[in-house]
Parts: sequence; structure tokens; C-alpha cells
Amino acid sequence: GAVVSQHPSWVICKSGTSVKIECRSLDFQATTMFWYRQFPKQSLMLMATSNEGSKATYEQGVEKDKFLINHASLTLSTLTVTSAHPEDSSFYICSARDWDREGGYTFGSGTRLTVV
Amino acid sequence: KQEVTQIPAALSVPEGENLVLNCSFTDSAIYNLQWFRQDPGKGLTSLLLIQSSQREQTSGRLNASLDKSSGRSTLYIAASQPGDSATYLCAVFDNYGQNFVFGPGTRLSVLP
Repeated sequence: GAVVSQHPSWVICKSGTSVKIECRSLDFQATTMFWYRQFPKQSLMLMATSNEGSKATYEQGVEKDKFLINHASLTLSTLTVTSAHPEDSSFYICSARDWDREGGYTFGSGTRLTVV
Repeated sequence: KQEVTQIPAALSVPEGENLVLNCSFTDSAIYNLQWFRQDPGKGLTSLLLIQSSQREQTSGRLNASLDKSSGRSTLYIAASQPGDSATYLCAVFDNYGQNFVFGPGTRLSVLP
């Protein structure tokens, strides 16, 4: 089945530094990928929609200059948390759709970000 | 705006019990509904996907039903096992936003 690989699975960084998270579709091409964030004991919330070859679409309240998304190829989207602060500590997860599979959205394994 | 709720928020049962998790959504104009399992600190595992035209889906000990008109779905787990302990998320993919809206999840503990 469709597989989405996400790296790293966890990262600890110092406040003020930037962190890049990668999301790859391993056996299918994804023109669109989705980035979600989950704070403790809360639901997954969509942050942005990543579109191959064009600008990402951000949800209301998500700072596009802070959460940089690049979707340079049909199999790779990256999320860079710039100038990270402790309040950015969260669980980030990406998703992509394999259009050959009916309704087939596949999620990455997630990245636990801790900013100290 | 689509909103998804799940009841109960947490559930603890002895091994072997059958149980039902509930999901409600406010806008019945959905494309599909999906149940996921999330283990602590890990990603999502898709359990069952129900298209808007379907009433239920079954996989092993799991059965999910969908009543689109009333905005409800249930996940039935038969003969629960300690390995079923996880958070179960319900998500609807709506026709408008082209993305999933997740419920807050039900945290299940199955005691040996």
C-alpha cells in the first residue's frame, strides 16, 4: 500500500533555531500534501496544504513566514519551523493522497518537536 | 464549518469486552469518514474508511458504521485486547475544504 515516510521522528532544538521536517511519498506521486499539528490532548489540526510547484495554502492563524513549506518534487514536501520557540513544541504529521487508491490518504509517522 | 466530536473522551475496559466508540459531525456533506488509531507519540494508522455512500465497513474485530443523515459514526471493537489500547480518532473528509477534520479522539485502555 501507499507509504508516507516522515523524518525525523523526534527532534529537540534550542529556542531561536530552525528545524526542517521531511515528508516523502515512497511509492506514489503526491501533488498535494497536508501538514497537521497536534498539541497534547488536542485534536490534529490542519496547518497548511502543500502544492507541488506552487505556494502552500495556510490555514487561518498559521504564520506562513514561520512555517515554511516547500514542495519541490512530486514525492517530497518539507516543513521548516523557523526561529522555533517553546510554544512551537508539538507533534507534526504529514499526509498525502495516492489517487490510485480510492479515498486513500496516508499519514506519516509524525515528528515530535521539543524546543528548549 | 465542520466540527467533529467524539464520545467518550476516555474509556477503560477489561479485556474481552465489546465496546463502542462514537463520532458525531455537524455537516452531513462529507466525502468519506475514516477511523484511525494513534499510539502515544506516534503517527496514525488507518483502520477503516467509509465512503459517503456506504453504511458500514468491517475489518477483523472492527466494524464501523456511518449514518450520514444524522451525522454519526460508530466504531465497534469486539473482544477487546490489551493491544487495542490507543487513541482512536475519527476524521471526516468534507466536500468543501478538501481536507480532513479530526475529532479529539477517544483514549482507550484495555486492562489485562
